[in-house]
Amino acid sequence: QLQLQESGPRLLKPSETLSLACNVPADSVDNPHYYWGWIRLPPGKGLEWSGNLYSNGGAYYNPSLQSRVTMSVDKSKNQLFLTLTSVTAADTAIYYCARGPITSLGVVMPFDSWGQGALVTVSS
Amino acid sequence: EIVLTQSPGTLSLSPGERATLSCRASQSLRNSYLAWYQQKRGQAPRLLIFGASSRATGIPDRFSGSGSGTDFTLTISSLEPEDFAVYYCQQYGYSPVTFGGGTVVETK
Repeated sequence: QLQLQESGPRLLKPSETLSLACNVPADSVDNPHYYWGWIRLPPGKGLEWSGNLYSNGGAYYNPSLQSRVTMSVDKSKNQLFLTLTSVTAADTAIYYCARGPITSLGVVMPFDSWGQGALVTVSS
Repeated sequence: EIVLTQSPGTLSLSPGERATLSCRASQSLRNSYLAWYQQKRGQAPRLLIFGASSRATGIPDRFSGSGSGTDFTLTISSLEPEDFAVYYCQQYGYSPVTFGGGTVVETK
């Protein structure tokens, strides 16, 4: 089972910037057979996709977060990052990093490995 | 954006019973790019089904998926105690990726 682990500050004030890291297996962040994503689970609600990041550097974000969200990687540290600016209470959620496979035909498949999640609370 | 509507919101059943969960898409999903996940309290989601009907690695055969176009179904043929959880459908054929609101399968 792939081990993914989210880390970062868990309590933020409104207008601050959320920054989370996800430790991934060595030499996997730039593997073209996989892509990476962030998904969140707000309290009492369903899962919400935040964005995907591909080995070629391409990124796709949820339009609802488009202007505030950035995903990036640090290959030297085998880490994936999520940055979300100007947070509000509505951004309170468990944030998951996840990995999904890409087939030999280039089909992007659903996430098959997930981290345990990091609860981030936004409160004044 | 494709909206996925799951029904019912809550399903109250006993172990051994059959569970039928529905997921309806606001538009037809190309190539049936529809997945189902199970999430237990305090745990990460687990992929059950992809491509509407293919079981993910290690998933018991009591879980089955069916459907195409806009209507999809997850069936659990005989509920085991560990199957009581929240189930989400997800479409991954169009951006943005979207999830349904979830169905809670609870013990009756």
